[in-house]
Amino acid sequence: AQSVTQLDSHVSVSEGTPVLLRCNYSSSYSPSLFWYVQHPNKGLQLLLKYTSAATLVKGINGFEAEFKKSETSFHLTKPSAHMSDAAEYFCVASPRAGKSTFGDGTTLTVKP
Amino acid sequence: KAGVTQTPRYLIKTRGQQVTLSCSPISGHRSVSWYQQTPGQGLQFLFEYFSETQRNKGNFPGRFSGRQFSNSRSEMNVSTLELGDSALYLCASSLGTGTENSPLHFGNGTRLTVT
Repeated sequence: AQSVTQLDSHVSVSEGTPVLLRCNYSSSYSPSLFWYVQHPNKGLQLLLKYTSAATLVKGINGFEAEFKKSETSFHLTKPSAHMSDAAEYFCVASPRAGKSTFGDGTTLTVKP
Repeated sequence: KAGVTQTPRYLIKTRGQQVTLSCSPISGHRSVSWYQQTPGQGLQFLFEYFSETQRNKGNFPGRFSGRQFSNSRSEMNVSTLELGDSALYLCASSLGTGTENSPLHFGNGTRLTVT
């Protein structure tokens, strides 16, 4: 069994300041972990994925995430927020076979 | 490569009617998953199909059904529509063979409104 917990349902930052979206997972094995972004009335777009090759993963649009096994965390960061980053973000754990487990999502607001 | 295509984009139906939604996956992808997204319940897994077989199923009533064709295209059907079925229905495709960590690729969804 696996579970994904996104620790903040809403995060608000000012444009140009760092972004931190937190995700903890629980699994009886080492799953693949993903971050997706969803803009209003759109599907989810893959930001980045962790598949055990490297603990620090770089994604699109300047986002990156670090896998920390000891903390069972996979937090998403970006050094400087842009207005276009405002969206909902989902942390997802996927086994090799079987359905993916989604976090409840974090809504990111970027203030000018 | 074309992305995941969902049709129609918007749909308005009346309570008691039935609806069929369509999803064309990325070429070469054999797994198709369906999700229901609502403001109150968030993203909920409906079912997954792989090589025309339902491989996983979420906790939805039997009014929700799906199928996958030999070309991997998938349809989902909701019968006897209820007001609570109003949602964004998302389809995602992946390689799905289980031997690699293939991410999900999502379509833009079908927005279903039940009146």
